[in-house]
Amino acid sequence: DQQVKQNSPSLSVQEGRISILNCDYTNSMFDYFLWYKKYPAEGPTFLISISSIKDKNEDGRFTVFLNKSAKHLSLHIVPSQPGDSAVYFCAASHSGTYKYIFGTGTRLKVLA
Amino acid sequence: NAGVTQTPKFRILKIGQSMTLQCTQDMNHNYMYWYRQDPGMGLKLIYYSVGAGITDKGEVPNGYNVSRSTTEDFPLRLELAAPSQTSVYFCASTEPVGRGTDTQYFGPGTRLTVL
Repeated sequence: DQQVKQNSPSLSVQEGRISILNCDYTNSMFDYFLWYKKYPAEGPTFLISISSIKDKNEDGRFTVFLNKSAKHLSLHIVPSQPGDSAVYFCAASHSGTYKYIFGTGTRLKVLA
Repeated sequence: NAGVTQTPKFRILKIGQSMTLQCTQDMNHNYMYWYRQDPGMGLKLIYYSVGAGITDKGEVPNGYNVSRSTTEDFPLRLELAAPSQTSVYFCASTEPVGRGTDTQYFGPGTRLTVL
């Protein structure tokens, strides 16, 4: 049972345009969500997070939106840059557990 | 400050062999984790620890063992290696001081092949 789903395995975007990566979850107990970026042969690195008390969090070019009723979150990257080309994972947890469930990842390719 | 380090980077095992994957962090984090990532898949939690002497199972613990005798180290033991354990293994740590601040720091991974 995949509690966190990223249904798009890959995405290609032109440099300077917006990249939108999507993530769906099934467990209504999840109240904290994170996005990680992963380059080949490296460990994931934290990008941005959002708590369920918010519906939006912004950090520079990265914005995460949370729609609790739809159990859906998305990561927007504006403008996209070639260095953003990586695999992006969303992860979810619920209060007090500090256990994280990861999605399968979306490979983003930003074309110069 | 090296963060999270893992050794070895690569290893090939024969079926039935055993080995220990090492993980060390120098950030004084209490929470540590072991994940595996299979091709095209996300990270699956194997075991985690909330402090020295305390460990608990994650999603896929079968075939693995862990110990946590110090804050810094969290080794993962494979006793009887099987081809299904071929994967990339990541260790991570965090120090949850409050929601909105708990981000995991990952090591570079160990690529394990069991033949």
